[in-house]
Amino acid sequence: SAVISQKPSRDICQRGTSLTIQCQVDSQVTMMFWYRQQPGQSLTLIATANQGSEATYESGFVIDKFPISRPNLTFSTLTVSNMSPEDSSIYLCSVLREGLDTEAFFGQGTRLTVV
Amino acid sequence: GEDVEQSLFLSVREGDSSVINCTYTDSSSTYLYWYKQEPGAGLQLLTYIFSNMDMKQDQRLTVLLNKKDKHLSLRIADTQTGDSAIYFCAERTYTGGFKTIFGAGTRLFVKA
Repeated sequence: SAVISQKPSRDICQRGTSLTIQCQVDSQVTMMFWYRQQPGQSLTLIATANQGSEATYESGFVIDKFPISRPNLTFSTLTVSNMSPEDSSIYLCSVLREGLDTEAFFGQGTRLTVV
Repeated sequence: GEDVEQSLFLSVREGDSSVINCTYTDSSSTYLYWYKQEPGAGLQLLTYIFSNMDMKQDQRLTVLLNKKDKHLSLRIADTQTGDSAIYFCAERTYTGGFKTIFGAGTRLFVKA
């Protein structure tokens, strides 16, 4: 299985600031995704992180608010910009492996609280 | 667009069977998944079924897929208190791009 490390695991941030979340995978993967799970809610896909090009955002999410980088096949970052209390959520990184695309693996998530 | 729906709560007695149901809308779905999330933990893949299958059994878990009705179910035999968690149904879709769409999750309560 793919081992996914997310940092930080949790943070409390002031409104108006930005936080960058890192996702490191122990092997090369074809696809990386970022999800948000608001309190008591399901997972909502924010975007697909594309290596070497701009991320593909889902409806309701924009690059200015959630800039994403993916410099190589094992690493991605998600930045939550100009935070407000409504951004308080768990943010999860998910990956699909090369040639083994039946199972999506998830990181443990980053629990963000904005005060 | 793509949508996955599931009931929000299920309560069963320990030792009984649990059946969690899910409906989805995207007929192009290739894989359908069941994930488990325990309090404060990440997502754990329980099982998945390919869209050309009707049934898959894995120990205490049985997945049934009715592709015509776009209905998926997860049966947990001999439910234990350790099975108490939120269960998410998810579909792999290619509509609008390659992605996995999740249902709202069913919270399973197991009473001793």
